[in-house]
Amino acid sequence: EDKVVQSPLSLVVHEGDTVTLNCSYEVTNFRSLLWYKQEKKAPTFLFMLTSSGIEKKSGRLSSILDKKELFSILNITATQTGDSAVYLCAVHPSQGGSEKLVFGKGMKLTVNP
Amino acid sequence: NAGVMQNPRHLVRRRGQEARLRCSPMKGHSHVYWYRQLPEEGLKFMVYLQKENIIDESGMPKERFSAEFPKEGPSILRIQQVVRGDSAAYFCASSRRRDSGNTIYFGEGSWLTVV
Repeated sequence: EDKVVQSPLSLVVHEGDTVTLNCSYEVTNFRSLLWYKQEKKAPTFLFMLTSSGIEKKSGRLSSILDKKELFSILNITATQTGDSAVYLCAVHPSQGGSEKLVFGKGMKLTVNP
Repeated sequence: NAGVMQNPRHLVRRRGQEARLRCSPMKGHSHVYWYRQLPEEGLKFMVYLQKENIIDESGMPKERFSAEFPKEGPSILRIQQVVRGDSAAYFCASSRRRDSGNTIYFGEGSWLTVV
């Protein structure tokens, strides 16, 4: 069964800190890995990763994938209170026409002023 | 350009009643996905539909749950004879085409509470 494990499950930091979120996965046929940010409403897309070693960046956020070791990390530098949210990691398997995403439980980040 | 619209946002049902959750995809999107999020759990895939077709329902409970996406109108997730364990947030997502990865857009969810 396809599985996604995120760690830590929750983290409390102060503004300005740098955080690293981990996501490991087991999937039969890998297509892509995605990161979403969820703030008590719709998950919003952050990154999609398909190739190992290529860093994706968006402002203070960056992410990278290691397909050999089956994990991804999401980095947030100079955190702000607005970064407080649940961060979801999902894997998109390649399974005969199905488009389902397999999600981890999410990591709750709290950034205190 | 309106996003994925879900209603109702919050729904309270007594045990044994029926719950109907509606989802209007983004304009131009013909692929709809339903996910369920239980407290302290990640999103779990339920069903993937295109207009008038169920493509993958491998995540749907075998009984009491059904979904449709008619030619006209929103997609409907129907839960019959609800039980307390059905209390969860139900998210709908849509995409323009298959193999969409980053172009899957989520709605804001419908929170079902069974009392």
